[in-house]
Amino acid sequence: EADIYQTPRYLVIGTGKKITLECSQTMGHDKMYWYQQDPGMELHLIHYSYGVNSTEKGDLSSESTVSRIRTEHFPLTLESARPSHTSQYLCASSVGPREKLFFGSGTQLSVL
Amino acid sequence: AQKVTQAQTEISVVEKEDVTLDCVYETRDTTYYLFWYKQPPSGELVFLIRRNSFDEQNEISGRYSWNFQKSTSSFNFTITASQVVDSAVYFCALSGTTSGTYKYIFGTGTRLKVLA
Repeated sequence: EADIYQTPRYLVIGTGKKITLECSQTMGHDKMYWYQQDPGMELHLIHYSYGVNSTEKGDLSSESTVSRIRTEHFPLTLESARPSHTSQYLCASSVGPREKLFFGSGTQLSVL
Repeated sequence: AQKVTQAQTEISVVEKEDVTLDCVYETRDTTYYLFWYKQPPSGELVFLIRRNSFDEQNEISGRYSWNFQKSTSSFNFTITASQVVDSAVYFCALSGTTSGTYKYIFGTGTRLKVLA
């Protein structure tokens, strides 16, 4: 049912590398979100967007950045990855607060 | 401020037992929406139900039922005759339109273990 895609599914990289986590949706949703989650733990909102050229920081401070140049695309970038960035990153989208969030499969990031 | 509290961190039950997962929320919005999601060991978040603040009817879907009570700001989730496949982390979430924002606030989750 979900038409929201995240790549890669798993990523293992060394400290200091620059990485971009991809998130795309084909539903035309304006609202998109990035959550960070340790396995089975709380979801922390780190970034969100209400539409093209709109991005906001979430409730959890993050060293990552995001961009929203196209409606369907909401990539997350880490300029210099560190072991503390090891986590699962979940992308989500919705048409608005009345409707459910659609989640991607997530990217499990491990920084060595 | 908006907040969702899931006080039960972890619950273990034996298969076929009934189990209720609690969710208490706080919001100043008069119109808001509540959700339940399931996260099995595979990690994907699966949508279970949405409820708006104007509809206090309880809902039943198979073995699942939800009890929404505005008077106590609660939106509890009951699984009847639990099965091993119900083992997962369950999240309650709240969305509203306070100050024009459209955030979804999640609780900390309740890990349910159903033992065979």
